[in-house]
Amino acid sequence: GDSVTQMEGPVTLSEEAFLTINCTYTATGYPSLFWYVQYPGEGLQLLLKATKADDKGSNKGFEATYRKETTSFHLEKGSVQVSDSAVYFCALRSNTGGFKTIFGAGTRLFVKA
Amino acid sequence: GAVVSQHPSWVICKSGTSVKIECRSLDFQATTMFWYRQFPKQSLMLMATSNEGSKATYEQGVEKDKFLINHASLTLSTLTVTSAHPEDSSFYICSARDKALPGNTIYFGEGSWLTVV
Repeated sequence: GDSVTQMEGPVTLSEEAFLTINCTYTATGYPSLFWYVQYPGEGLQLLLKATKADDKGSNKGFEATYRKETTSFHLEKGSVQVSDSAVYFCALRSNTGGFKTIFGAGTRLFVKA
Repeated sequence: GAVVSQHPSWVICKSGTSVKIECRSLDFQATTMFWYRQFPKQSLMLMATSNEGSKATYEQGVEKDKFLINHASLTLSTLTVTSAHPEDSSFYICSARDKALPGNTIYFGEGSWLTVV
């Protein structure tokens, strides 16, 4: 079945450092890909998405490019802030099979001042 | 603002009692809603898919008699945890698919914390 694998955390960075969180997926067909963020004690927020190959999703300085050839959707940010500390989930959603969202395990990010 | 609302945000109940969590779509009709649970420091696991007017489809390993799902209208789905036990304590999140928009337009609620004591 469909699955998402993302790098294990926690990831600890200093403020203004470059961030990469790796995400790869397995899916039949052409899923849409997402990054969600969850701040402590809160629900999920959609960070960005891409619906087809080579699309780049971007939001709040974060970017991810849908790479079909490597089945990847890595999250990047050029300069992280303390306020970016959260858990980041990579996810996919197939356009068939009932539109279920499959989540990766999540990567916890700590940003130090 | 939120387009999917969950209520309550926090609930504490005694072991053996039942508790209901509501998921409402605001300003749109949701033919399909999804229920997830998240244990501390873990990912979200899909529990069931709730379809308006029909029975929910449960994922493997989820007890349908323990987690009752009702999707009686196009804007409301409820999850009832029956005879709750401490191991049911978790964060429950719903999501809803907007019927009027392309298939991938799904919104998540803000989640409901359940603590069973």
